[in-house]
Amino acid sequence: SQQGEEDPQALSIQEGENATMNCSYKTSINNLQWYRQNSGRGLVHLILIRSNEREKHSGRLRVTLDTSKKSSSLLITASRAADTASYFCATDPYSSASKIIFGSGTRLSIRP
Amino acid sequence: EADIYQTPRYLVIGTGKKITLECSQTMGHDKMYWYQQDPGMELHLIHYSYGVNSTEKGDLSSESTVSRIRTEHFPLTLESARPSHTSQYLCASSPPGSLRAYYGYTFGSGTRLTVV
Repeated sequence: SQQGEEDPQALSIQEGENATMNCSYKTSINNLQWYRQNSGRGLVHLILIRSNEREKHSGRLRVTLDTSKKSSSLLITASRAADTASYFCATDPYSSASKIIFGSGTRLSIRP
Repeated sequence: EADIYQTPRYLVIGTGKKITLECSQTMGHDKMYWYQQDPGMELHLIHYSYGVNSTEKGDLSSESTVSRIRTEHFPLTLESARPSHTSQYLCASSPPGSLRAYYGYTFGSGTRLTVV
């Protein structure tokens, strides 16, 4: 099965609220990455957190990584309508030669 | 904007036709990838390349083939298109290993293929 699995599969919140998405994985990793995909488009890289980091911020994004639990979370604060998209986590495993593995994604809808 | 380009953006083609999906990047990345993705679903790696004259099959079996004659160009070819090939095809690239710990993949906008 896929290395990364996102939870929830779908999330609908009111504009201005915070959105939290979780990702669990199975093997040791070099880093974990989060991507956004607008409907019918390619993926856009949002943020990368290395295995020796626990938390990282970028604008309204906050990512945490717990290697002991093999899990990560993506928090989007003060959500906007433009944040409506699918969000994927991707892991870069130790065992892989430059191939990251994508999870199944969380579909986020922001209600105006 | 991304420095990786895919053409065509949309393609509707009849069964049995040969098609080539183009992917080019201007970043000098050595590693390139092709993913297949059905709407709202997960991505499946179908081909990848670590450099010129290097191509490998991915995790999902695909009837397509790829070539890597130039660093910047990684086209995908279907010799005989079938309705089961209808999907979105995404091309991506990543920097050399020394930068891998800092940068993620760069994706193109994708080609939406419909085989009728």
